[in-house]
Amino acid sequence: EDQVTQSPEALRLQEGESSSLNCSYTVSGLRGLFWYRQDPGKGPEFLFTLYSAGEEKEKERLKATLTKKESFLHITAPKPEDSATYLCAVKESNTGKLIFGQGTTLQVKP
Amino acid sequence: EPEVTQTPSHQVTQMGQEVILRCVPISNHLYFYWYRQILGQKVEFLVSFYNNEISEKSEIFDDQFSVERPDGSNFTLKIRSTKLEDSAMYFCASSGLAGVGANTGELFFGEGSRLTVL
Repeated sequence: EDQVTQSPEALRLQEGESSSLNCSYTVSGLRGLFWYRQDPGKGPEFLFTLYSAGEEKEKERLKATLTKKESFLHITAPKPEDSATYLCAVKESNTGKLIFGQGTTLQVKP
Repeated sequence: EPEVTQTPSHQVTQMGQEVILRCVPISNHLYFYWYRQILGQKVEFLVSFYNNEISEKSEIFDDQFSVERPDGSNFTLKIRSTKLEDSAMYFCASSGLAGVGANTGELFFGEGSRLTVL
C-alpha cells in the first residue's frame, strides 16, 4: 500500500532557528512529490513539485529536496509567519490523485 | 489572483439528509477534484473529474456520493444520505490550464466547506 509519512508531527522553533521537515514515501511509480502549506481552517496551498531524485526547489526561506525514498523541506531562518502545517503528498497516476501525509505543524516563536 | 471558491463555508445537517456542496473552480482549469479532511486526520482524495466524467474515485466515494458540473462554472458534490462519519472539511480543487496539456498535479484548493452531521 502506498504510504506517505511525515516527521516530526509538530515542531517548535525560535525565530531564526533553521530546521528540516521529513517526508518518507513508498509508491509504485512516483509521478511527483508535492509540498503544500495549510493554515488553520484553510485549504492547502501549493509550494513545490519535485519529480526526480536530486532535484531541489527554493522559495524564499524554504527549500525542498528529493531522494528516492524521502523528501526534506528545509526552513532557513524562519519567521513567525512561517507557522503552519506543512503537507507532503505524492502522485502516482495521471489523474491528479494525491496521497497526503499527516503533516508537520510548525510553530515559530518570535 | 484567480481562486477556487466554495459554498457553503459551514453546513449542519441531520443524519440521512441530502447535502450539496458547491464549488467554482478557476475558470480556465480542466481538472476538478474533491478531497476531504476529517478533523485531525489526513487530507483524503475522493474523486477527480475531467472532460465531464469521473476519471478516478477512491473507496470512500461510494454510491452515496456523486459529482456534477451542471454548467461551465460550477462543480458540485452531492451526498445523498449523510452519515455521522461524513462530518469533515470538504475541499474542492482544480488544476491543469487549458492549452498546457498534461495534468501536473499542482492543485489549487478552495477554503473548504465544513460539514457537520448530527
